[in-house]
Amino acid sequence: EVQLVESGGGLVQPGGSLRLSCAASGFTFSSYNMMWVRQAPGKGLEWISYISASRSFIYYADSVKGRFTISRDNAKNSLFLQMNSLRAEDTAVYYCAREGPVAYYCDHWGQGSLVTVSS
Amino acid sequence: SYVLAQPPSVSVAPGKTARVTCGGNNIGSKSVHWYQQKPGQAPVLIIYYDANRPSGIPERFSGSNSGNTATLTISRVEAGDEADYYCQVWDTTTEHPVVFGGGTQLTVL
Repeated sequence: EVQLVESGGGLVQPGGSLRLSCAASGFTFSSYNMMWVRQAPGKGLEWISYISASRSFIYYADSVKGRFTISRDNAKNSLFLQMNSLRAEDTAVYYCAREGPVAYYCDHWGQGSLVTVSS
Repeated sequence: SYVLAQPPSVSVAPGKTARVTCGGNNIGSKSVHWYQQKPGQAPVLIIYYDANRPSGIPERFSGSNSGNTATLTISRVEAGDEADYYCQVWDTTTEHPVVFGGGTQLTVL
């Protein structure tokens, strides 16, 4: 069974940093592209970052580019999101998601990790 | 960047058919994927590549895509279908490839 489990969320002050992790199991992690999607309270889904299986392709939404860094450790079946210079508008539930084997959609999602940016 | 437009809300009586639209410029030339999200839960893929259902998704859920509109159709709507529905495309022409619609809240009357 495919499982994605996020961790590392919490309360952080504006300007602070946080690192999210996503532990993957039940599939060959190194063969799949991954991404992070967030959802602000009461709002819709917002894609924020993508990393290919081999790390050859990395993309960011304009809203986080230069502040967030996506990475992965295929040996440890883990996906990461380093978030710096956090702002109040970064407050959201952050989901890691796996790109489907046929590509271009997310076929499995984690349960999400809440990040709250507030003083 | 590519924009997807969804109606904020759709209401339907139990047993009837609900249609959720997703508008985009020549969206018929792209592949559209749909997700269902119930309150407090993660999104779930319900339709991929316009009209394909993952295993475990009821046949009552179907999709179509043509011209400037993609449509998610839910037949014989049940109370348990009440959720938010999001369409998504992959824009290969940009470095912001994943695009979501704003979401549609389906209310079962």
